Formats: sequence, structure tokens, C-alpha cells
Amino acid sequence: GENVEQHPSTLSVQEGDSAVIKCTYSDSASNYFPWYKQELGKGPQLIIDIRSNVGEKKDQRIAVTLNKTAKHFSLHITETQPEDSAVYFCAARSNSNSGYALNFGKGTSLLVTP
Amino acid sequence: GAGVSQSPSNKVTEKGKDVELRCDPISGHTALYWYRQSLGQGLEFLIYFQGNSAPDKSGLPSDRFSAERTGGSVSTLTIQRTQQEDSAVYLCASSPGVGNTIYFGEGSWLTVV
Repeated sequence: GENVEQHPSTLSVQEGDSAVIKCTYSDSASNYFPWYKQELGKGPQLIIDIRSNVGEKKDQRIAVTLNKTAKHFSLHITETQPEDSAVYFCAARSNSNSGYALNFGKGTSLLVTP
Repeated sequence: GAGVSQSPSNKVTEKGKDVELRCDPISGHTALYWYRQSLGQGLEFLIYFQGNSAPDKSGLPSDRFSAERTGGSVSTLTIQRTQQEDSAVYLCASSPGVGNTIYFGEGSWLTVV
């Protein structure tokens, strides 16, 4: 089955700096890659996603890049703010998954210090 | 409702007792998923429902775990004879259909003592 690896597990940046989180996946049939943000005590919230026919997608301060050949994708957050502090999860989905269920990485705990 | 609703939000139970966790998906969403999130871990897929089709139970960790979805809407996840390793956040998610964006609820925090 699909295996998603996520790095780093923790990341600390100063406010205003950029943060980058990287994920790799194993199933070459994977075609959908969402990123979720989870704040303490809350459920994961989708922040951005990308499909395999696109190499990059941007939404304000957040961008995601996808390299299908290398089977990795990354989340980029620019001009970080304290409210960006949370756990971020990458995920991958392929047609071979159960009901298009997502396979998740283990998460990155991002801390943005003022 | 506006989002996926789960209850209870917190549950403390004694080892060996049965628990039921409820999920009310977003109105009109045909796909429903249950995930488990252990402390500091990623999300582990448990079970999936799509419309009136038979559920995919391939992620359930043991036969103590079961789930139902009545009328294609509300779902209940049941854990029988709970054990301490069952302590986790149980997340429910729904989607407009197969292959669409998946939206999560706030989760049910289960503690087995």
C-alpha cells in the first residue's frame, strides 16, 4: 500500500521567515496530495491541495509543489505568523486506495516564534 | 449542519467496557471515513462507507472494532471490551463523493483507564 514519509517532525521558525515541509510517497499511482493543518484539540483542516496534473499551486502565503518523477511534494509557507503554529499533515491518495481514503504522513509540528 | 459533527467530544471509559462514538457527516455527503489518531502520530484509516455499498473495513485493527452507517447518513463506531491501547482521537470525515475533498470533524477523544 501507499507509504507517506514526512519531514521534519518538528520545525521552529521566527515570525516572518519561511517554512518548508517535505513529503515523499511510494505509490506512483497517487494522484491527489492535500495538506491539512491541525490546531490543538481540533480536527484537521484542509489548507491546500494539488493534483498530479499540476506542478505547483499557490494560495496567498501558502504554496505546494509536486515532483511526480521523484515522488515528493512540499508545502511552503512564506511570511510566517504565530497563528501558523500547528501540526501540518501531508497526505496522498491513489486509485488503489480504499474508497479513495487518504494515506497520511506522521505530521510536522510547526512553531512560529514572535 | 455546517460541518462534520462528532459526539462525544471526550470520553473516559474503564478497560473492558464498550464505547460508541457517533458521526454526523455534512449534509449530502455520500462518503464517510473513520480515522484514528494516537498521541503524536499520524492518521490511521479505519473504515469507509460510500452510499449504500458494503463498507470497506480493511483498516479496522481487530474484531473488537465495528461501525455502522444508518440510512446513508449518521455513523456509529463501536469499540468492544476497550483496552488502554485504544486510547486515541477518533476522527470522522465525509466527502461529497469518491475522489472529492475530505472534510474532518473535531474528533472524539477516547481515554481508556
